[in-house]
Amino acid sequence: AQSVSQHNHHVILSEAASLELGCNYSYGGTVNLFWYVQYPGQHLQLLLKYFSGDPLVKGIKGFEAEFIKSKFSFNLRKPSVQWSDTAEYFCAVNAGDDKIIFGKGTRLHILP
Amino acid sequence: GAVVSQHPSWVICKSGTSVKIECRSLDFQATTMFWYRQFPKQSLMLMATSNEGSKATYEQGVEKDKFLINHASLTLSTLTVTSAHPEDSSFYICSARKGTEQETQYFGPGTRLLVL
Repeated sequence: AQSVSQHNHHVILSEAASLELGCNYSYGGTVNLFWYVQYPGQHLQLLLKYFSGDPLVKGIKGFEAEFIKSKFSFNLRKPSVQWSDTAEYFCAVNAGDDKIIFGKGTRLHILP
Repeated sequence: GAVVSQHPSWVICKSGTSVKIECRSLDFQATTMFWYRQFPKQSLMLMATSNEGSKATYEQGVEKDKFLINHASLTLSTLTVTSAHPEDSSFYICSARKGTEQETQYFGPGTRLLVL
Protein backbone atom coordinates (compact mmCIF):
# COMPACT_ATOMS: atom_id res chain seq x y z
CA ALA A 1 0.00 0.00 0.00
CA GLN A 2 1.09 3.52 -0.69
CA SER A 3 2.10 5.72 2.20
CA VAL A 4 3.58 9.16 2.64
CA SER A 5 5.67 10.33 5.55
CA GLN A 6 6.57 13.89 6.39
CA HIS A 7 9.47 14.11 8.77
CA ASN A 8 8.74 17.39 10.47
CA HIS A 9 5.45 17.90 12.20
CA HIS A 10 6.14 21.48 13.20
CA VAL A 11 8.77 23.88 11.87
CA ILE A 12 9.51 27.38 13.12
CA LEU A 13 11.72 29.71 11.09
CA SER A 14 12.56 33.37 10.95
CA GLU A 15 11.82 35.43 7.86
CA ALA A 16 14.44 35.12 5.13
CA ALA A 17 15.57 31.72 6.38
CA SER A 18 15.78 28.86 3.91
CA LEU A 19 13.20 26.10 4.08
CA GLU A 20 13.29 22.42 3.32
CA LEU A 21 10.41 20.12 4.24
CA GLY A 22 11.02 16.42 3.90
CA CYS A 23 8.67 13.97 2.22
CA ASN A 24 9.17 10.29 1.54
CA TYR A 25 6.75 7.88 -0.06
CA SER A 26 6.54 4.14 -0.29
CA TYR A 27 5.57 2.77 -3.68
CA GLY A 28 7.76 0.97 -6.15
CA GLY A 29 6.07 2.00 -9.38
CA THR A 30 5.43 5.20 -11.26
CA VAL A 31 4.01 7.94 -9.07
CA ASN A 32 2.61 11.43 -9.34
CA LEU A 33 3.68 13.68 -6.49
CA PHE A 34 2.11 16.80 -5.05
CA TRP A 35 2.61 19.44 -2.43
CA TYR A 36 -0.52 21.15 -1.17
CA VAL A 37 -0.68 24.17 1.15
CA GLN A 38 -3.43 25.15 3.56
CA TYR A 39 -3.23 28.73 4.78
CA PRO A 40 -5.00 29.54 8.06
CA GLY A 41 -8.74 29.49 7.51
CA GLN A 42 -8.45 28.60 3.86
CA HIS A 43 -8.83 25.46 1.80
CA LEU A 44 -6.14 23.26 0.34
CA GLN A 45 -4.34 24.69 -2.66
CA LEU A 46 -1.99 22.99 -5.03
CA LEU A 47 1.54 24.31 -4.63
CA LEU A 48 3.25 22.17 -7.24
CA LYS A 49 3.16 18.74 -8.80
CA TYR A 50 5.45 16.27 -10.48
CA PHE A 51 4.25 13.83 -13.13
CA SER A 52 7.29 13.23 -15.31
CA GLY A 53 10.27 14.97 -16.91
CA ASP A 54 12.56 17.36 -15.06
CA PRO A 55 12.72 16.15 -11.46
CA LEU A 56 13.13 19.71 -10.22
CA VAL A 57 9.67 21.22 -10.20
CA LYS A 58 8.93 24.88 -9.68
CA GLY A 59 5.64 25.92 -8.15
CA ILE A 60 3.88 29.06 -7.07
CA LYS A 61 5.22 31.63 -4.62
CA GLY A 62 8.87 30.69 -5.11
CA PHE A 63 8.55 27.09 -3.96
CA GLU A 64 10.25 24.19 -5.65
CA ALA A 65 10.55 20.48 -5.05
CA GLU A 66 12.97 17.84 -6.21
CA PHE A 67 11.96 14.28 -7.01
CA ILE A 68 14.75 11.84 -6.20
CA LYS A 69 13.58 8.45 -7.33
CA SER A 70 16.38 6.51 -5.68
CA LYS A 71 15.49 8.00 -2.32
CA PHE A 72 11.70 7.90 -2.80
CA SER A 73 11.73 11.55 -1.81
CA PHE A 74 10.03 14.74 -2.90
CA ASN A 75 11.31 17.48 -0.61
CA LEU A 76 9.89 20.98 -0.74
CA ARG A 77 12.25 23.96 -0.69
CA LYS A 78 12.18 27.72 -0.65
CA PRO A 79 15.38 29.80 -0.43
CA SER A 80 13.92 32.65 1.60
CA VAL A 81 10.63 32.35 3.46
CA GLN A 82 8.20 35.14 4.26
CA TRP A 83 5.78 35.59 7.11
CA SER A 84 2.94 34.92 4.66
CA ASP A 85 4.27 31.39 4.15
CA THR A 86 2.89 30.45 7.55
CA ALA A 87 0.61 27.52 6.75
CA GLU A 88 0.30 23.78 6.84
CA TYR A 89 1.99 21.86 4.03
CA PHE A 90 0.92 18.43 2.84
CA CYS A 91 2.88 16.09 0.64
CA ALA A 92 0.76 13.66 -1.38
CA VAL A 93 1.23 10.78 -3.79
CA ASN A 94 -0.90 9.22 -6.48
CA ALA A 95 0.09 5.88 -7.98
CA GLY A 96 -1.98 6.10 -11.12
CA ASP A 97 -5.29 5.09 -9.60
CA ASP A 98 -8.01 7.39 -8.34
CA LYS A 99 -6.58 7.97 -4.91
CA ILE A 100 -4.29 10.63 -3.57
CA ILE A 101 -2.65 9.64 -0.31
CA PHE A 102 -1.65 12.50 1.96
CA GLY A 103 1.09 12.81 4.52
CA LYS A 104 0.25 14.04 7.99
CA GLY A 105 1.28 17.56 7.19
CA THR A 106 3.92 19.97 8.44
CA ARG A 107 2.84 23.08 10.26
CA LEU A 108 5.17 25.95 9.36
CA HIS A 109 5.41 29.08 11.48
CA ILE A 110 7.39 32.02 10.19
CA LEU A 111 8.45 34.57 12.79
CA PRO A 112 8.40 38.17 11.57
CA GLY B 1 -10.04 28.30 -13.00
CA ALA B 2 -11.09 25.32 -10.98
CA VAL B 3 -13.30 26.32 -8.09
CA VAL B 4 -14.96 23.88 -5.75
CA SER B 5 -17.48 25.02 -3.18
CA GLN B 6 -19.00 23.32 -0.18
CA HIS B 7 -22.19 24.07 1.66
CA PRO B 8 -22.62 24.57 4.50
CA SER B 9 -19.23 25.74 5.74
CA TRP B 10 -20.14 24.69 9.25
CA VAL B 11 -23.05 22.95 10.90
CA ILE B 12 -24.06 22.08 14.45
CA CYS B 13 -26.63 19.35 14.95
CA LYS B 14 -28.10 17.17 17.64
CA SER B 15 -27.10 13.56 18.04
CA GLY B 16 -29.33 11.27 15.98
CA THR B 17 -30.10 13.74 13.22
CA SER B 18 -28.85 13.57 9.64
CA VAL B 19 -26.73 16.20 7.96
CA LYS B 20 -26.25 16.76 4.25
CA ILE B 21 -23.12 18.41 2.86
CA GLU B 22 -22.96 19.59 -0.74
CA CYS B 23 -19.89 19.76 -2.94
CA ARG B 24 -20.06 21.66 -6.22
CA SER B 25 -17.59 22.25 -9.01
CA LEU B 26 -18.43 25.77 -10.09
CA ASP B 27 -16.60 26.22 -13.38
CA PHE B 28 -15.89 22.73 -14.63
CA GLN B 29 -17.44 19.31 -14.93
CA ALA B 30 -16.23 16.75 -12.46
CA THR B 31 -16.77 13.13 -13.35
CA THR B 32 -15.08 12.14 -10.11
CA MET B 33 -15.31 13.71 -6.70
CA PHE B 34 -13.68 12.63 -3.47
CA TRP B 35 -14.71 12.96 0.16
CA TYR B 36 -12.12 13.31 2.90
CA ARG B 37 -12.25 13.62 6.63
CA GLN B 38 -9.65 15.59 8.55
CA PHE B 39 -9.14 15.19 12.27
CA PRO B 40 -7.40 17.91 14.26
CA LYS B 41 -3.66 17.97 13.63
CA GLN B 42 -3.90 14.98 11.32
CA SER B 43 -3.89 14.34 7.63
CA LEU B 44 -6.78 14.04 5.24
CA MET B 45 -8.24 10.57 5.22
CA LEU B 46 -10.00 9.51 2.04
CA MET B 47 -13.49 8.29 2.83
CA ALA B 48 -14.89 7.55 -0.61
CA THR B 49 -14.63 8.16 -4.32
CA SER B 50 -17.76 9.36 -6.02
CA ASN B 51 -18.36 8.89 -9.74
CA GLU B 52 -21.20 10.62 -11.52
CA GLY B 53 -24.09 8.28 -12.14
CA SER B 54 -22.72 5.32 -10.25
CA LYS B 55 -22.29 4.08 -6.71
CA ALA B 56 -19.52 5.51 -4.61
CA THR B 57 -16.48 3.44 -3.73
CA TYR B 58 -15.79 3.50 -0.01
CA GLU B 59 -12.46 3.07 1.69
CA GLN B 60 -11.95 0.27 4.14
CA GLY B 61 -13.48 1.04 7.51
CA VAL B 62 -15.91 3.66 6.23
CA GLU B 63 -19.54 2.71 6.77
CA LYS B 64 -21.43 3.25 3.54
CA ASP B 65 -24.80 3.21 5.30
CA LYS B 66 -23.58 5.90 7.67
CA PHE B 67 -22.02 8.17 5.08
CA LEU B 68 -24.34 8.25 2.08
CA ILE B 69 -22.84 9.71 -1.07
CA ASN B 70 -24.80 10.78 -4.13
CA HIS B 71 -23.17 12.13 -7.28
CA ALA B 72 -26.24 13.02 -9.29
CA SER B 73 -24.67 15.40 -11.79
CA LEU B 74 -21.30 16.41 -13.18
CA THR B 75 -21.14 19.38 -10.83
CA LEU B 76 -22.67 18.13 -7.60
CA SER B 77 -21.92 15.45 -5.05
CA THR B 78 -23.55 15.20 -1.64
CA LEU B 79 -22.44 13.51 1.56
CA THR B 80 -25.13 12.72 4.11
CA VAL B 81 -24.06 11.79 7.61
CA THR B 82 -26.95 9.71 8.87
CA SER B 83 -27.88 9.46 12.54
CA ALA B 84 -24.92 11.59 13.48
CA HIS B 85 -23.09 11.00 16.76
CA PRO B 86 -20.52 13.16 18.56
CA GLU B 87 -17.70 10.98 17.20
CA ASP B 88 -18.72 12.05 13.68
CA SER B 89 -17.71 15.60 14.53
CA SER B 90 -14.94 16.47 12.14
CA PHE B 91 -13.87 18.55 9.18
CA TYR B 92 -15.19 17.11 5.92
CA ILE B 93 -13.49 18.14 2.69
CA CYS B 94 -14.43 17.31 -0.86
CA SER B 95 -12.33 17.51 -3.97
CA ALA B 96 -13.10 17.25 -7.66
CA ARG B 97 -11.13 16.13 -10.63
CA LYS B 98 -11.40 17.76 -14.02
CA GLY B 99 -12.00 15.44 -16.91
CA THR B 100 -8.95 16.82 -18.69
CA GLU B 101 -6.61 16.66 -15.69
CA GLN B 102 -6.89 13.16 -14.40
CA GLU B 103 -4.16 13.45 -11.80
CA THR B 104 -5.00 16.76 -10.13
CA GLN B 105 -7.72 17.30 -7.55
CA TYR B 106 -9.18 20.66 -6.63
CA PHE B 107 -10.35 21.01 -3.08
CA GLY B 108 -13.35 22.63 -1.52
CA PRO B 109 -13.06 24.82 1.58
CA GLY B 110 -14.39 22.11 3.88
CA THR B 111 -17.37 21.74 6.20
CA ARG B 112 -16.94 21.66 9.93
CA LEU B 113 -19.50 19.40 11.60
CA LEU B 114 -20.16 19.47 15.31
CA VAL B 115 -22.56 16.90 16.71
CA LEU B 116 -23.84 17.65 20.19
